[in-house]
Amino acid sequence: GAGVSQSPRYKVAKRGQDVALRCDPISGHVSLFWYQQALGQGPEFLTYFQNEAQLDKSGLPSDRFFAERPEGSVSTLKIQRTQQEDSAVYLCASSFGYSVHNEQFFGPGTRLTVL
Amino acid sequence: GIQVEQSPPDLILQEGANSTLRCNFSDSVNNLQWFHQNPWGQLINLFYIPSGTKQNGRLSATTVATERYSLLYISSSQTTDSGVYFCAGGEGGGADGLTFGKGTHLIIQP
Repeated sequence: GAGVSQSPRYKVAKRGQDVALRCDPISGHVSLFWYQQALGQGPEFLTYFQNEAQLDKSGLPSDRFFAERPEGSVSTLKIQRTQQEDSAVYLCASSFGYSVHNEQFFGPGTRLTVL
Repeated sequence: GIQVEQSPPDLILQEGANSTLRCNFSDSVNNLQWFHQNPWGQLINLFYIPSGTKQNGRLSATTVATERYSLLYISSSQTTDSGVYFCAGGEGGGADGLTFGKGTHLIIQP
């Protein structure tokens, strides 16, 4: 597609359930980013991939959060044993990654609600 | 990491007014972007502007990298300009995560 897509758009989970959020970046984009946006706040960086390599995961809030991009294209963010504080919008972004100009483009996000 | 401060936090204007939104950075950035988050949560790219001045219709932006700030100008505001405006910066030439400000919530009244 022309832009970054994410699925599902909405996810409701019971506390303790595992969830998986998918991101399809713009075709040809090497770099892929995950962000978490709490209500009323700006997005916060979680993790970054260059192709299939996870180069920075400093923003992941706990070891319950895991991200992968096995073939260097689609990425999945997995949250194990969800907690209420995990409720947020999860945004994915991609950028070309090979030039000085590395503008990031964002998907529509997945709104996660943990009950 | 860098800190990003945006001002004002809230702004209410009448349709047709002009506005200036400011973004200050605690350290030098190599990637600076302005976004508009629409009511459905989509972040819309406005400008990629690590330095210099750019214009796109009624919107323009200026970044003074040496003084670590950026300005977003909106002229002749329309109700569709309402929403939250974010600036975000990155240190590593763009291939790293962005640090976002808390945003400016803009309301344009008819």
